[in-house]
Amino acid sequence: SQKIEQNSEALNIQEGKTATLTCNYTNYSPAYLQWYRQDPGRGPVFLLLIRENEKEKRKERLKVTFDTTLKQSLFHITASQPADSATYLCALPNTGGFKTIFGAGTRLFVKA
Amino acid sequence: NAGVTQTPKFRVLKTGQSMTLLCAQDMNHEYMYWYRQDPGMGLRLIHYSVGEGTTAKGEVPDGYNVSRLKKQNFLLGLESAAPSQTSVYFCASRGVIRTSGSTSYEQYFGPGTRLTVT
Repeated sequence: SQKIEQNSEALNIQEGKTATLTCNYTNYSPAYLQWYRQDPGRGPVFLLLIRENEKEKRKERLKVTFDTTLKQSLFHITASQPADSATYLCALPNTGGFKTIFGAGTRLFVKA
Repeated sequence: NAGVTQTPKFRVLKTGQSMTLLCAQDMNHEYMYWYRQDPGMGLRLIHYSVGEGTTAKGEVPDGYNVSRLKKQNFLLGLESAAPSQTSVYFCASRGVIRTSGSTSYEQYFGPGTRLTVT
């Protein structure tokens, strides 16, 4: 079955540094991959989508890469700020495309 | 445009009690979903609906029922609550993203309902 793996260990970085989060998936070749942000006590919010034919996507300080050979996506936040502290979820559409499968998320802490 | 709303925000139930969680969306989305989120386990799909009058089972449907009588509403029911159903419940609806001839989707989530079953 389709599986998504994200680093369950929290990531602690210093303000101003680049945060890099990893998403690996198995048993699947998705047409696109998504990243969501979730703050404590709130629902996830969509951030970025990258398609299988795109190697890299940028949005302000966010950059996502998608390596369909390695079955991996990297999510970068450059010049990180304490306000970037949250849990980041990787998500893929299921084979039929009508459901979304979510990773468990990686918690990011940015220290001032 | 309120997006996706959920009621209630918090609830405490005793084992065996029943309750209904209400989800409403004002974006005219066809697809709606109910998830539960537990520490370390991520979002797990309980039930979903691909349109008014339709429902389907997700990954963890046991102990839950759903109804989609109106397009904008998706109800999640617990007939006889159990402590294992203590969780945070999220409702979501699916929106379409169309770019450069390709179609993809994003999910819009509600704020969640924190349910405790004692």
